[in-house]
Amino acid sequence: TQLLEQSPQFLSIQEGENLTVYCNSSSVFSSLQWYRQEPGEGPVLLVTVVTGGEVKKLKRLTFQFGDARKDSSLHITAAQPGDTGLYLCADIYNTDKLIFGTGTRLQVFP
Amino acid sequence: DTAVSQTPKYLVTQMGNDKSIKCEQNLGHDTMYWYKQDSKKFLKIMFSYNNKELIINETVPNRFSPKSPDKAHLNLHINSLELGDSAVYFCASSQGLYTLYNEQFFGPGTRLTVL
Repeated sequence: TQLLEQSPQFLSIQEGENLTVYCNSSSVFSSLQWYRQEPGEGPVLLVTVVTGGEVKKLKRLTFQFGDARKDSSLHITAAQPGDTGLYLCADIYNTDKLIFGTGTRLQVFP
Repeated sequence: DTAVSQTPKYLVTQMGNDKSIKCEQNLGHDTMYWYKQDSKKFLKIMFSYNNKELIINETVPNRFSPKSPDKAHLNLHINSLELGDSAVYFCASSQGLYTLYNEQFFGPGTRLTVL
C-alpha cells in the first residue's frame, strides 16, 4: 500500500515569511496533485504535475516534482493569511483513484 | 450557484442508528465520489460512481451503502452507526472517470458525530 508522508505536519508562520512543505511517497507517483483545504470546506485542486523534474508556478506558489517522481515540494513566497489551510498532496493511482497524503496544516498570522 | 452540495452540514446521532447523507452536483458531471476524512485530517476514497454505475468500492464496511438515483445525485446511507464512523464525509464530482484529465470538485462536507 502506497504511503504519502507530508512534512511538516503543522506550520505556523508570520505573514510575509516563505515556507516549503514536502510530500514523499513510498513508491513512484503516477501523477501528483496538490490541494488546499480551508477550514469547513472541501479540498480545492491547486496543480497537477506529471513529469519528473517538472516545476509549476501559481502566483506565489511554486510546485516541484522530484526527478525520480517519489517526492514533491510546495514553496510559498511571502505567505499571506489567506494561505492558511490544510495542504494535501495526492497520487492519481490507477488513473481513477486519489491516494491522499497525511497533510500539512499551515497557519499564517497577520 | 453551488456546484457540489451536501446535506446535512452537521449530523449528530446515537450509536446503532441509521442515517443518510445526500449529495447533489449541478455541474453536469458523470462521476461522483464519497470520501471520509478522519479526526487527523486523513482523507480516503470510499466509493465512486460513473453514470450511476459503481466503479470504486474501497473495502468499506457493508453498513455503508451508496445510492445514485441519477447522475446528479449520490447519497450515502449508513446502517448501525458506530463510534468509529465519526468523521467528515465529502462528496465530490468530476466530468469523467480519469482523474488525471478530470478535476474533482468537492462539496463542503458533512460532519458526522456518533455518540
